[in-house]
Amino acid sequence: DIVMTQTPLSLSVTPGQPASISCKSSQSLLHSDGKTYLYWYLQKPGQPPQLLIYEVSNRFSGVPDRFSGSGSGTDFTLKISRVEAEDVGVYYCMQSIQLPYTFGQGTKLEIK
Amino acid sequence: EVQLVETGGGLIQPGGSLRLSCAASGFTVSSNYMSWVRQAPGKGLEWVSVIYSGGSTYYADSVKGRFTISRDNSKNTLYLQMNSLRAEDTAVYYCAKSRDYWGQGTLVTVSS
Repeated sequence: DIVMTQTPLSLSVTPGQPASISCKSSQSLLHSDGKTYLYWYLQKPGQPPQLLIYEVSNRFSGVPDRFSGSGSGTDFTLKISRVEAEDVGVYYCMQSIQLPYTFGQGTKLEIK
Repeated sequence: EVQLVETGGGLIQPGGSLRLSCAASGFTVSSNYMSWVRQAPGKGLEWVSVIYSGGSTYYADSVKGRFTISRDNSKNTLYLQMNSLRAEDTAVYYCAKSRDYWGQGTLVTVSS
C-alpha cells in the first residue's frame, strides 16, 4: 500500500497569515497517462470532506484562489495564502493512483 | 446539482449485517466510479471499496470477503452490503462520486 505522510499534524494560524501543509507519498503518484493522482480535501467540523485540489494543483469548482497545490512525484504541498476563519478543519491528502486508495493522517488547522 | 444521500446506518450487534444505500441525483452512478469511505469516531479517513463504471469492484483488505459493493442503475443508487460486522467497523460511512463529491454519511455502530 502507498503510505501518505502529512506534516505538520496540527497548525495554529493567525487570520490573514499563510499556512502550508506537506504530504509525502511512499511511491510516485505520476501515472503513465501523465497525470499525478494527488488530491487535497478539507473536512470542516461536523461535515463530510470536500474536495479542494485535484491532480496536485487544480482547484475544484468554487474553491477560493487563496488555496493552491504544488509538487510532483512523491512530495506535495497545500498552501493557503491568507487563512480565514472558515478554513478551520482537518486537511487530508489522498492518492488514487493505486488501490487501495490511501489518505494522509490529516492536519488540523485552528485559528489563533 | 450533485447530491448523495446515505441511509441504512444504525446500531447492530457483532456478527450482524446491514445494507447501506446511497441515493444519487444530478449525475449517473453507472457512468462514474463510486466509492465508500469510512471514518471511525475521532479518526481519519479509510477507503473501503470502489465500483468502476465497467462494474469491477475492489475492497480494502479489512473488509474483503465481508462487504459487497453494488449499484442499481434503474434507481441510480449505490449500495454496501456489510456482513459479519465487527466492533472495528464502527464508523461514519460516506459514499463518494469519483474523487469529487461526498455524501453526508451514515453512522454504523457495532456493539452488543
